[in-house]
This record gives sequence, structure tokens and C-alpha cells, in this order.
Amino acid sequence: LAKTTQPISMDSYEGQEVNITCSHNNIATNDYITWYQQFPSQGPRFIIQGYKTKVTNEVASLFIPADRKSSTLSLPRVSLSDTAVYYCLVVRNSGYSTLTFGKGTMLLVSP
Amino acid sequence: KAGVTQTPRYLIKTRGQQVTLSCSPISGHRSVSWYQQTPGQGLQFLFEYFSETQRNKGNFPGRFSGRQFSNSRSEMNVSTLELGDSALYLCASSLEGQGSPEQYFGPGTRLTVT
Repeated sequence: LAKTTQPISMDSYEGQEVNITCSHNNIATNDYITWYQQFPSQGPRFIIQGYKTKVTNEVASLFIPADRKSSTLSLPRVSLSDTAVYYCLVVRNSGYSTLTFGKGTMLLVSP
Repeated sequence: KAGVTQTPRYLIKTRGQQVTLSCSPISGHRSVSWYQQTPGQGLQFLFEYFSETQRNKGNFPGRFSGRQFSNSRSEMNVSTLELGDSALYLCASSLEGQGSPEQYFGPGTRLTVT
């Protein structure tokens, strides 16, 4: 599976939009891009998944350019409770998933 | 619908002992995966079970084993505990389906080896 690279940490303020970019240069044709969120001492929580272009749900948007070598998770108007680690993962379209986590991005939202 | 449950939530063991952790998946989910999370190595995949069969395995020594029962509940066992086995052990369940199904994680079992 393609290795992912994302910033180690990011800082933001309440009410701002946060964009976290992930690169995955060697993504394969049958791979999806998936993002998980994890709070301290809790299990990760699925945020969003996409294959190409743009996907939006009630929590976030995911932008994937045509070459699919990168993706951007967009969190609109963050709050203090969005402080967490965000993981970008490349997952295989296989009917089931085995998740390979990287280091993730530690997002700190301040008042 | 109830989420993934893991028991116990906290555990303290001594080096050389063995431990068994339990995971109950979301009702209807037949795939159960286990992960180890440590500050140094991050989140690492241990193994995945589906219909009582181990379908995938991560790069862990044979001291780490697991099984799944007919009701999809799963257990993992670690024998001859080492200090480095201290970690948060997470279980996740998912449905089979198109693409790459979302995994639902439990709260984890915090294992401390002294």
C-alpha cells in the first residue's frame, strides 16, 4: 500500500477552517483515501473516505485531485473539541480493510 | 445499536505472565481486527478475523495470538509478557462490503506490564 506523508502537527483557532494535506504518491488504482480522528486514550473514529474529486459529509470535506497523489481534509469552523490526531490512510478496495496507520497530524485548536 | 466493547479496560500484569483481552463487535459485524498502540510505534495492526478464521496478520511475534467465536466475539492472548507489550490494545469491527469498509473501534484495553 502507498505510504502517506502528512504534517506532524498543526495549530488553529476556534472558528477557523483547517486544511490538512496528505501525500500518497504511489497510490494504486484500486485504493481509497480514508481519514480517521483519534482523541487521547480512545479508539480512532472514521471521518470520511473518498476515491476522487470531492466528498462531503456532516463533519468534513475531502478533496482529491485528478492524479490522486495527494488529498486534503477540510474541517470547517473548528472548535476546541476538534483537537485530536488525524490520520490519513490509503486502503485497498478489497471488500474488507486492514488499516495501516502513520504518525498522523496532531491538530491543536486554541480559543 | 451498541458499539464495540472491550474488556477489561485496564490491566496490570507482571513480566512473564500471560493475558487475554476480549472484544465484542457491533451486532452483525463479522470482521474483527486488533491493533496495538504505543507512543513509540504508533498504531500497528495485529490480526484480523472473519467467520472464526484469521484472514490477515501483522508483523508481531507468535506470543500474540487470537481467536474468534461463532458469535463474532474475539479474544487476543499475549503469552510471556514483556515490558514492551505495555500498550493500548484496540479492537475494531466492520461489515463486509464494497470498497474498504469503515472500521468501528472500541475504547481499548490499557495493558501495563511491570
